[in-house]
Amino acid sequence: GNSVTQMEGPVTLSEEAFLTINCTYTATGYPSLFWYVQYPGEGLQLLLKATKADDKGSNKGFEATYRKETTSFHLEKGSVQVSDSAVYFCALSDRTGGFKTIFGAGTRLFVKA
Amino acid sequence: DSGVTQTPKHLITATGQRVTLRCSPRSGDLSVYWYQQSLDQGLQFLIQYYNGEERAKGNILERFSAQQFPDLHSELNLSSLELGDSALYFCASSVGGGGAPDTQYFGPGTRLTVL
Repeated sequence: GNSVTQMEGPVTLSEEAFLTINCTYTATGYPSLFWYVQYPGEGLQLLLKATKADDKGSNKGFEATYRKETTSFHLEKGSVQVSDSAVYFCALSDRTGGFKTIFGAGTRLFVKA
Repeated sequence: DSGVTQTPKHLITATGQRVTLRCSPRSGDLSVYWYQQSLDQGLQFLIQYYNGEERAKGNILERFSAQQFPDLHSELNLSSLELGDSALYFCASSVGGGGAPDTQYFGPGTRLTVL
């Protein structure tokens, strides 16, 4: 079945550091890929998405490129801020899974001032 | 603000009791999803309703049930509560019902504490 694997957290960075959170997936079809973010005390919200191979999703300085050859969708940001401290979830949805969204375990990011 | 509302925000109850969590989806969204988030299990999909009908089932216990009403709001009923049911329960909504990849919009969650 479909699955998503994320790097384990927590990830702790200093402000202005470069961020990478790894995400790889297993899917029998051609999934759409998502990154959701959960800020403290809130629900998840969509950060970015990509619907086909080589697409790049971007939002708020974050970006991720859909790599079919490596089945990956790594999240990157060039310069993190304290306000980026949150839990980040990689997710996928595809036709063979009935378009049910499968979430990864989440990666907690702490950014220190 | 996602437009999804959940009540109550917090709920404290005792083992063996029954509670009902309520969710109102975004205007225009036909699907409602329920998730359980706990520290050790991460985000677990429970169940999806689309336009009043059950569409997909995840790791939902038999003690739990849900329904979606004609006005599209949904309720999640948890019965014979155990300590391990303590968690954050999220509701999410989306426009479609599973015919295409869909962005889900999450509510703020209900924190359930079972003592």
